[in-house]
Amino acid sequence: DAGVTQSPTHLIKTRGQQVTLRCSPKSGHDTVSWYQQALGQGPQFIFQYYEEEERQRGNFPDRFSGHQFPNYSSELNVNALLLGDSALYLCASSLGPHSEQFFGPGTRLTVL
Amino acid sequence: QQQVKQSPQSLIVQKGGISIINCAYENTAFDYFPWYQQFPGKGPALLIAIRPDVSEKKEGRFTISFNKSAKQFSLHIMDSQPGDSATYFCAAKNAGGTSYGKLTFGQGTILTVHP
Repeated sequence: DAGVTQSPTHLIKTRGQQVTLRCSPKSGHDTVSWYQQALGQGPQFIFQYYEEEERQRGNFPDRFSGHQFPNYSSELNVNALLLGDSALYLCASSLGPHSEQFFGPGTRLTVL
Repeated sequence: QQQVKQSPQSLIVQKGGISIINCAYENTAFDYFPWYQQFPGKGPALLIAIRPDVSEKKEGRFTISFNKSAKQFSLHIMDSQPGDSATYFCAAKNAGGTSYGKLTFGQGTILTVHP
């Protein structure tokens, strides 16, 4: 049974560029949540997708956007990258928006 | 009001000892309190979780103690092993409220267990 998978593993971008991160949920899960984890900090909630709609959003600017596909996989897009966007981006999936969340290994984004 | 404060930032324990990590929260609407373990290069993995209708939950060597009146909860790792060396995060969620999908995490505790 495959767990949550994320791609790519690592990514290096320059300021001002745009990036797309991808997540495939655990088999049977239909909800995807995204978190940003800065070095030495706890994860911060970005948003949650369920039934292909953004259902919850944390305190992140509109530069952060997402999408959920009919197969429940999801993308996180970040526009106009800033140095401060450098972090580990975690995807978590769950069976429904209220249930226990299972995390993927993350994508390490470095903005130069 | 959404913060979860975790202490200590780092902890060193001898093999066989007890590791204790504490968290405090402000939002009384939180009703689900999980603990996560994270190894370098990996995502957080759920260890154990508790709801406020019980004061203690034990799973193997891991125990959560919950004090609703003090708005505090803690993780106890009994018989700590070198393989327990990792970063531990407490978290909280209002499972029934408008922000039901959002886990609020503490800052993390780096645990080192010496052999």
